[in-house]
Amino acid sequence: QTVVTQEPSFSVSPGGTVTLTCGLSSGSVSASFYPSWYQQTPGQAPRTLIYNTNTRSSGVPDRFSGSILGNKAALTITGAQADDESDYYCLLYMGSGIWVFGGGTKLTVL
Amino acid sequence: EVQLVESGGGLVQPGGSLRLSCEVSGLTFSSYWMSWVRQAPGKGLEWVANIKQDGSEKYYVDSVRGRFTISRDNAKNSLYLQMNSLRVEDTAVYYCASGQRLGYWGRGTLVTVSS
Repeated sequence: QTVVTQEPSFSVSPGGTVTLTCGLSSGSVSASFYPSWYQQTPGQAPRTLIYNTNTRSSGVPDRFSGSILGNKAALTITGAQADDESDYYCLLYMGSGIWVFGGGTKLTVL
Repeated sequence: EVQLVESGGGLVQPGGSLRLSCEVSGLTFSSYWMSWVRQAPGKGLEWVANIKQDGSEKYYVDSVRGRFTISRDNAKNSLYLQMNSLRVEDTAVYYCASGQRLGYWGRGTLVTVSS
């Protein structure tokens, strides 16, 4: 069974740029996996940031961007702010109607 | 303003049943796929199921297929999740979300399966 992989944790300095990735235990992620990205702070519902690889959800600032980098989907945050400190999840379409989340990345801004 | 409000969670014994509901407002419910996502305490998100606009297609994660049933009532702008044969590992906050790509989310309802 293919697993969706994310970095367990990452840190970035305020004002810095960070790229989180979303891969597969076997194979490469492409746009045909319709990668999406979600932000979640403790005790809150997730918030949709990016869908279909690089389309920002309504109200999401343009310092959040999505792409395919090599064989992975990627979420890049430029000009990181303190309130970007959150858990970030990717979601991939695996075919046959099935979607799978990655394990999430805990981002620390310090 | 789009709102998704889940209800129906609670404490249930292993082997029991619960029916979750999600009432949607602020969007044309009948035009959207709808999804359920869960999050066990201290764990990550898990996609559970989704349903097409007219209910003609339904998909489930392997761990709930055959035990959970997703359904909808477009006249009532409501989504449901019937959960049978509940297991301890089904304990989680259950979120409903709009679309296959989960554009809008509710705040979730907690399901606790414990004896």
